[in-house]
Amino acid sequence: DTAVSQTPKYLVTQMGNDKSIKCEQNLGHDTMYWYKQDSKKFLKIMFSYNNKELIINETVPNRFSPKSPDKAHLNLHINSLELGDSAVYFCASSKGLAGQSTDTQYFGPGTRLTVL
Amino acid sequence: TQLLEQSPQFLSIQEGENLTVYCNSSSVFSSLQWYRQEPGEGPVLLVTVVTGGEVKKLKRLTFQFGDARKDSSLHITAAQPGDTGLYLCAGGYNAGNMLTFGGGTRLMVKP
Repeated sequence: DTAVSQTPKYLVTQMGNDKSIKCEQNLGHDTMYWYKQDSKKFLKIMFSYNNKELIINETVPNRFSPKSPDKAHLNLHINSLELGDSAVYFCASSKGLAGQSTDTQYFGPGTRLTVL
Repeated sequence: TQLLEQSPQFLSIQEGENLTVYCNSSSVFSSLQWYRQEPGEGPVLLVTVVTGGEVKKLKRLTFQFGDARKDSSLHITAAQPGDTGLYLCAGGYNAGNMLTFGGGTRLMVKP
């Protein structure tokens, strides 16, 4: 069973388009995250979300928005895609609601986004 | 500017050699985690350290958290080709469980 799954695995699109990446976790976790990994493999937190609180990394453009239909899903919607948005996007989840940094985060396999 | 600096960025060694990877910061973290990432996959947690000076061992891997909780090291004894991958350290602040990742160390162990 896949703990954290993402779709699609690969996404190629034109500049200016709007796209979404889906994430699902079957671990019963309360907190989910989105990360961006650039071409130099630098992994950067974008959002931390549970049913009570959304924490946004202040450097994330407002073209990016997380949408959570329920506790097991956190989708990433991106408006007006730019060339610099090309990266691998990882979804992750962790158990606690309280936001303990010692919680293990379980990562999905990533979505490679290429903006042409 | 990266809050967590990892060194070296790249390391290529022969099977059987020992190595140490460093993770340094000017900030104090409530916890420090080490992850390993293989190509085409997400990072997988190896260990979490929370107490200054703490040492944890995972088979041939030894992790240490600095006394001041600003730095950490990962030592691998008798490296094997299966250890090849990207090693990432991540510091936690407890607020929303937001982790700050280092730039990673790409390790290649040649048979």
